[in-house]
Amino acid sequence: DAGVIQSPRHEVTEMGQEVTLRCKPISGHNSLFWYRQTMMRGLELLIYFNNNVPIDDSGMPEDRFSAKMPNASFSTLKIQPSEPRDSAVYFCASSLVYTRAEAFFGQGTRLTVV
Amino acid sequence: SQKIEQNSEALNIQEGKTATLTCNYTNYSPAYLQWYRQDPGRGPVFLLLIRENEKEKRKERLKVTFDTTLKQSLFHITASQPADSATYLCAPGGSQGNLIFGKGTKLSVKP
Repeated sequence: DAGVIQSPRHEVTEMGQEVTLRCKPISGHNSLFWYRQTMMRGLELLIYFNNNVPIDDSGMPEDRFSAKMPNASFSTLKIQPSEPRDSAVYFCASSLVYTRAEAFFGQGTRLTVV
Repeated sequence: SQKIEQNSEALNIQEGKTATLTCNYTNYSPAYLQWYRQDPGRGPVFLLLIRENEKEKRKERLKVTFDTTLKQSLFHITASQPADSATYLCAPGGSQGNLIFGKGTKLSVKP
């Protein structure tokens, strides 16, 4: 397996534009996490899914953020409209939730909003 | 609310010494706790998982302890090497399977 795949690796966009980040989890994993990492706040859990269903989205900062998981092999995190303070590295991770196994992370998407 | 604290933002030690990192948590009782390593520009990588009924776990030069009374985990790297330099993150397991991380400790091992 190629691991967790995120795209794009880098994204530069103007304030007010819509941004969509994509994630393909490891095949067979049933839990998917979206994180945001900044120097100030560290690695923050935004939302996580079990079996494609959102379980906890309390970390989503505002209504401008939304996440979907239409099937077991794909998830998106959308920011609309984007703001400069959204600039961060966004990570997606997947795991087998019922075994309490480790999470495997993607390489991340570095988002810069200017 | 759940709170995770890692003892220091940065730890500098000499090659060959033992590095000890601390993770404290409050307001919940995790059934397990994980440790990850993160290198610059990369995602975190899993190192070890310890469950609440395990006091200690070892993997090569790594050792983790888990004290549910103190609500604390200690992470040790023995015979440290410059290649061990990285940021180390702890993640006490949530009851719903969510994975929440501390801010991490940046370890620098000097030759």
